Amino acid sequence: GAGVSQSPSNKVTEKGKDVELRCDPISGHTALYWYRQSLGQGLEFLIYFQGNSAPDKSGLPSDRFSAERTGGSVSTLTIQRTQQEDSAVYLCASSLYGPPGNTIYFGEGSWLTVV
Amino acid sequence: AQRVTQPEKLLSVFKGAPVELKCNYSYSGSPELFWYVQYSRQRLQLLLRHISRESIKGFTADLNKGETSFHLKKPFAQEEDSAMYYCGGMDTGRRALTFGSGTRLQVQP
Repeated sequence: GAGVSQSPSNKVTEKGKDVELRCDPISGHTALYWYRQSLGQGLEFLIYFQGNSAPDKSGLPSDRFSAERTGGSVSTLTIQRTQQEDSAVYLCASSLYGPPGNTIYFGEGSWLTVV
Repeated sequence: AQRVTQPEKLLSVFKGAPVELKCNYSYSGSPELFWYVQYSRQRLQLLLRHISRESIKGFTADLNKGETSFHLKKPFAQEEDSAMYYCGGMDTGRRALTFGSGTRLQVQP
């Protein structure tokens, strides 16, 4: 595709349920990022994948959050035992190579609502 | 620790007025800094980066190491500039781009 694709675009889930959010980066992009966007918190870095290197997980808020990237392409962000404070837009982004100097392209996001 | 700080959540100006969106950073060494913009119902996109020293849509931003700032400026605001603006950056050796909390710019007619 022409851009970063994310699914689902909207997800409503009950508190305590697990959710999976998917990201298809731009073809050929080696770097992939997950961010969380919420009112008052801005853009919060979650995790970063670069090629075959170990991911930078320093932004994951708790052990309920995990992400994997299979085959260097598609990534899945999993939130276990969702809480209401997990409600946010989850943004995926990719770049051709890792930083510095490379433009990061964002997807449209997955809007998660935990009720 | 917050590495990029945007002190204003909302900035409201009239069309034609100058605009300055503030951004301060706490990276060490020679950081790389960016401004990203999100227009209504659109994706977040790169506006400009300091290493390019370019002007995009009339906006400029200069890295001031003495003040550790990277403020975004435009001499004459337009209504279509209304959007959410995020300052982002990374320090030497850090692999991920981190952002400030964002500033919403409202340009009134």
